[in-house]
Amino acid sequence: DTEVTQTPKHLVMGMTNKKSLKCEQHMGHRAMYWYKQKAKKPPELMFVYSYEKLSINESVPSRFSPECPNSSLLNLHLHALQPEDSALYLCASSLTLLGEGYTFGSGTRLTVV
Amino acid sequence: KNQVEQSPQSLIILEGKNCTLQCNYTVSPFSNLRWYKQDTGRGPVSLTIMTFSENTKSNGRYTATLDADTKQSSLHITASQLSDSASYICVVRGGNKLVFGAGTILRVKS
Repeated sequence: DTEVTQTPKHLVMGMTNKKSLKCEQHMGHRAMYWYKQKAKKPPELMFVYSYEKLSINESVPSRFSPECPNSSLLNLHLHALQPEDSALYLCASSLTLLGEGYTFGSGTRLTVV
Repeated sequence: KNQVEQSPQSLIILEGKNCTLQCNYTVSPFSNLRWYKQDTGRGPVSLTIMTFSENTKSNGRYTATLDADTKQSSLHITASQLSDSASYICVVRGGNKLVFGAGTILRVKS
């Protein structure tokens, strides 16, 4: 298995909703990442987990809450989002921090209404 | 300041033609340079990764070059196909950071 799987592929949520994005990999990678990408812009790093511990938080608002339950799973919990948070959310993983096999998932297209 | 600049911003070519995309960087210390292809609404897919000592690397019809002295890279696409239409992103690893370029949007017309 050489993939990073993200679910759901599409999500529409209201500003008062709570939802979660899920990311899974079975490549034995020990670093996992969340990115946010707006249309026609490069991905922006949000969070980095290394060996299941939060390594980097790029000053992301608290309405985004990451969780790494085990080495294969990465979640992003969403609460009280704003319309400007609508974007493509990408998960990535690599063998070690910024190391070999850096692989992106297909993304979750999030729309906040 | 660590930066990655790509040119052109966008490009339209006819199917079957070749094209070359450019990437200039000021990232330091340099670890490696990656080229990704990203289809609209999908995640980036790795095309090549090059370290300091590598000058050229190919992946099918994609050939990347790296000049570490001038801090420039190029991605050459041979015999373009309609499916090559995508955004091509240059990413440079510097220390403990990945620095992304803004990408080149390529459209291949029939």
